Amino acid sequence: DVKVTQSSRYLVKRTGEKVFLECVQDMDHENMFWYRQDPGLGLRLIYFSYDVKMKEKGDIPEGYSVSREKKERFSLILESASTNQTSMYLCASSGANSPLHFGNGTRLTVT
Amino acid sequence: GENVEQHPSTLSVQEGDSAVIKCTYSDSASNYFPWYKQELGKRPQLIIDIRSNVGEKKDQRIAVTLNKTAKHFSLHITETQPEDSAVYFCAGHSNSGYALNFGKGTSLLVTP
Repeated sequence: DVKVTQSSRYLVKRTGEKVFLECVQDMDHENMFWYRQDPGLGLRLIYFSYDVKMKEKGDIPEGYSVSREKKERFSLILESASTNQTSMYLCASSGANSPLHFGNGTRLTVT
Repeated sequence: GENVEQHPSTLSVQEGDSAVIKCTYSDSASNYFPWYKQELGKRPQLIIDIRSNVGEKKDQRIAVTLNKTAKHFSLHITETQPEDSAVYFCAGHSNSGYALNFGKGTSLLVTP
């Protein structure tokens, strides 16, 4: 069974802080993704990676960066957190013959 | 990227009735269309998917139909039960072929 693990379930940060959201998958998937979920807006793609050290912008990359140093780990970085980045963040992974699987999400509050 | 529109945004049905959720997509090259169910406080989970070489797919009480010409696909849930209450998301492939673009979701409520 695919396991996508996000390091924090809830996170509270201050405006201007640098924030790291970590995600690990155990299925040797090539592709990893970060989505943001907001009420009424659905799931919006922030960044994705199809290989180690590779990254591609999604639909809403502004204010975010990512890091994929190892195949199993994909980190989302908020360089300077702002209140409009308060949201639910969902990590996901997929493989050539494996559909998209989501982690349990990190609910980030920026005060 | 791919633009996926989903309707309705909310849907309320009586237990035992059918529920239909519809999605349209913009990229005619899209070839994979999954549906995800997200229960309250939980992660989205894949419930059924369809590829563009198939017109319909069924799995017990759920089915998905695809009309490539019209660029729309639908989720059908028959004999609905209260545990079907959740938010349902449709998705299609983006131009990159790696990432899914999701509709905004349909909140389904099944009342006993």
